[in-house]
Amino acid sequence: GAVVSQHPSRVICKSGTSVKIECRSLDFQATTMFWYRQFPKQSLMLMATSNEGSKATYEQGVEKDKFLINHASLTLSTLTVTSAHPEDSSFYICSARDKTGPNYGYTFGSGTRLTVV
Amino acid sequence: GQNIDQPTEMTATEGAIVQINCTYQTSGFNGLFWYQQHAGEAPTFLSYNVLDGLEEKGRFSSFLSRSKGYSYLLLKELQMKDSASYLCAARIGTALIFGKGTTLSVSS
Repeated sequence: GAVVSQHPSRVICKSGTSVKIECRSLDFQATTMFWYRQFPKQSLMLMATSNEGSKATYEQGVEKDKFLINHASLTLSTLTVTSAHPEDSSFYICSARDKTGPNYGYTFGSGTRLTVV
Repeated sequence: GQNIDQPTEMTATEGAIVQINCTYQTSGFNGLFWYQQHAGEAPTFLSYNVLDGLEEKGRFSSFLSRSKGYSYLLLKELQMKDSASYLCAARIGTALIFGKGTTLSVSS
């Protein structure tokens, strides 16, 4: 149990366009979802925490108008990178929390490799 | 702010034992996770420590000292497939804050 589906796994987009990444909990309801960004050979940096039905809480230094997060249901959160630029190229990973789930409740998606050209 | 430190890189040989240290200075600490991550993949759960002491799970063990803000991951009988990044993460509230990760290279 506790599977998180994230897609697309890879996306290439042109500078100035927007890209939407979906994170879906398949067999549980996630009251909280987290979005991370990971640059090459670096660790996961928390971007924001989203709770179903409320506004996301962004970490310091993360532009909320650029990284739009929507958590409209208990099984789906989306991250939209607006007006993407090459420096936004990164590996984006979501994590969904189910307090009663395995691994102490944190399940990660398989990540999205975003390349902005 | 939150500060979590781990060595950047470590090397070891097959069959050996390696200890990866993690120190943290955080507020609102609730526990310490260890994950394994291969490049381009999601992190895989290894262990979670809430109380002080050692948790053993097969070839992997994890230790926590809350008073010292210190944890380590111990990997025994190393195998080539253990070459990966190892991430410690402090649970702060409900969020996980990750250290920079330690890249472990296992050679024959």
